[in-house]
Amino acid sequence: GAGVSQSPSNKVTEKGKDVELRCDPISGHTALYWYRQSLGQGLEFLIYFQGNSAPDKSGLPSDRFSAERTGGSVSTLTIQRTQQEDSAVYLCASKRDSGGGETQYFGPGTRLLVL
Amino acid sequence: QKEVEQNSGPLSVPEGAIASLNCTYSDRGSQSFFWYRQYSGKSPELIMFIYSNGDKEDGRFTAQLNKASQYVSLLIRDSQPSDSATYLCAVNKEYNFNKFYFGSGTKLNVKP
Repeated sequence: GAGVSQSPSNKVTEKGKDVELRCDPISGHTALYWYRQSLGQGLEFLIYFQGNSAPDKSGLPSDRFSAERTGGSVSTLTIQRTQQEDSAVYLCASKRDSGGGETQYFGPGTRLLVL
Repeated sequence: QKEVEQNSGPLSVPEGAIASLNCTYSDRGSQSFFWYRQYSGKSPELIMFIYSNGDKEDGRFTAQLNKASQYVSLLIRDSQPSDSATYLCAVNKEYNFNKFYFGSGTKLNVKP
């Protein structure tokens, strides 16, 4: 389809393991975002990429979290040494360009459960 | 102080009534304002955005922006049970249209 896709849709892991979450943005979108949403909570900004500029990492909660975006398209969010408090839905979004009236389009999310 | 604040609700309205959802923001440099709807277990989806003072209507939805008072609201006319969801307010700023600041959302229940 033409929307944002994320994989896996669900991930169960054991505490201390590393996980990788993948996001495929809408083709041609220059901006890509990662958010975290805990149960019943709002969206917590993690990181965004815009074109070839340095990413804004100001929302990453600890150095266990990292993200990269290869070739200006696909992005991977990596969580090292997972903790139970990392359990949440991780949402990816993309945006066409840097214009003010442009909205983000969200993917279906990856539901992460750390046991 | 949070960038964007919303009452968490739940806001309960009877079917057919007008639902009024409010959002305040702290930075006068905020430029564009977005309303998203999020059904339980689903991702947010855009309802509408506004960037000029006044009202903007789209079907049963009206967004209202008052920059002097730093609030934006969403009115839903003829509310339907299918409108029951969490509504998220988001803003971006004139010096960085790429970064979005989200409120925590207001849960709306429309009772048949």
